[in-house]
Amino acid sequence: EAQVTQNPRYLITVTGKKLTVTCSQNMNHEYMSWYRQDPGLGLRQIYYSMNVEVTDKGDVPEGYKVSRKEKRNFPLILESPSPNQTSLYFCASSPYFSGYEQYFGPGTRLTVT
Amino acid sequence: RKEVEQDPGPFNVPEGATVAFNCTYSNSASQSFFWYRQDCRKEPKLLMSVYSSGNEDGRFTAQLNRASQYISLLIRDSKLSDSATYLCVVNVGGRTSYDKVIFGPGTSLSVIP
Repeated sequence: EAQVTQNPRYLITVTGKKLTVTCSQNMNHEYMSWYRQDPGLGLRQIYYSMNVEVTDKGDVPEGYKVSRKEKRNFPLILESPSPNQTSLYFCASSPYFSGYEQYFGPGTRLTVT
Repeated sequence: RKEVEQDPGPFNVPEGATVAFNCTYSNSASQSFFWYRQDCRKEPKLLMSVYSSGNEDGRFTAQLNRASQYISLLIRDSKLSDSATYLCVVNVGGRTSYDKVIFGPGTSLSVIP
């Protein structure tokens, strides 16, 4: 089944404790992206990757890191989480870039206390 | 002014009604346009792409007016299952250049029996 998976689905953590949210797709897509969704603000792009070893900042990259060592995986790293990073996070992939249909993972609900 | 704006909603309509959503975008270089559907904090899913010639998929019709920088979605014969949030999505950029995708804040639709 073609899909995008994210783990964990839910995470409660404390300020400053490094964490990684994994994202994997099995569709051989070149493009992957991370978004956060907050009430009243909609989805905002954090980072995206056009291909392996190619990543770029989206609209809200501060406090996040990403890497794209393999085509299928695009982890999101929070080196020192803060409460303002409490949000619902979505990973997505697309064949080439966001001008094509994006397939989203199920989301990760992160709470930083 | 926000880059992508949508009718604030919520829209509460009876079953069988016709409902129209509007979306405006500010960047005249925008290239690709979409309507996504999002159910209650689940992942967004593509409803339809929007073309200058307009396109129809069953009860759903989407229109794009580049001159006015305006996108619309028309839902005819509303079903209870149409209850969701509808996201207007605009892509600026192409495969060989930087990628920028903007999600509108969404319009909530509730179809009432």
